[in-house]
Amino acid sequence: QSALTQPPSVSGSPGQSVTISCTGTSSDVGSYNRVSWYQQPPGTAPKLMIYDVSDRPSGVPDRFSGSKSGNTASLTISGLQAEDEADYYCISYSGSYTWVFGGGTKLTVL
Amino acid sequence: QVQLVESGGGVVQPGRSLRLSCAASGFTFSSHAMHWVRQAPGKGLEWVTFTTPDGNTQSYADFVKGRFTTSRDNSKNTLYLQLNSLGPDDTAVYFCARDFTAKYTVDYWGQGTLVTVSS
Repeated sequence: QSALTQPPSVSGSPGQSVTISCTGTSSDVGSYNRVSWYQQPPGTAPKLMIYDVSDRPSGVPDRFSGSKSGNTASLTISGLQAEDEADYYCISYSGSYTWVFGGGTKLTVL
Repeated sequence: QVQLVESGGGVVQPGRSLRLSCAASGFTFSSHAMHWVRQAPGKGLEWVTFTTPDGNTQSYADFVKGRFTTSRDNSKNTLYLQLNSLGPDDTAVYFCARDFTAKYTVDYWGQGTLVTVSS
């Protein structure tokens, strides 16, 4: 159960697009289309943004999109807005009712 | 609306125990699996444990090593996490979270309760 690998930080200007990667192994990300992404502003609980690699819960803007290739999943935020500034975490199902998170990525909107 | 309210956190000495509770409302608690996730100060999220809707099956992260036990009382709409043999590395905010049925992820989170392990 090693943590998934995310870049510590990414940044972008308003209106731009950013992509956050989440690299796992053939035991988690590579084996299951069960990758989710959470947004966590400072001092708050995480909010589900993407599930099942690319599905959005109701209420999440379509500026947020997800994808996966092999052992790496990605979250893309297009049309960046100041309110998107937060920490982002990926999580993958890893079998036998266990899950593993990524280390988190701090998104800064310049 | 879905509400998850954790309680029971506090300061505890190394080696001691603590029991956390999570009161659920706004949904049919007995129909949902539940998770505990923790977050050390300034660090990332870490999945801790999962329990099925009926409480008959649990799973744990490797670092738990038999020290933690999750349970639930569906008659009280409450989830529990028993923390034993606590060490400084267990200092964290512990979140209770609802399983997103059939999606193998979490959809709703509580606000968390802080556990500080210190002498």
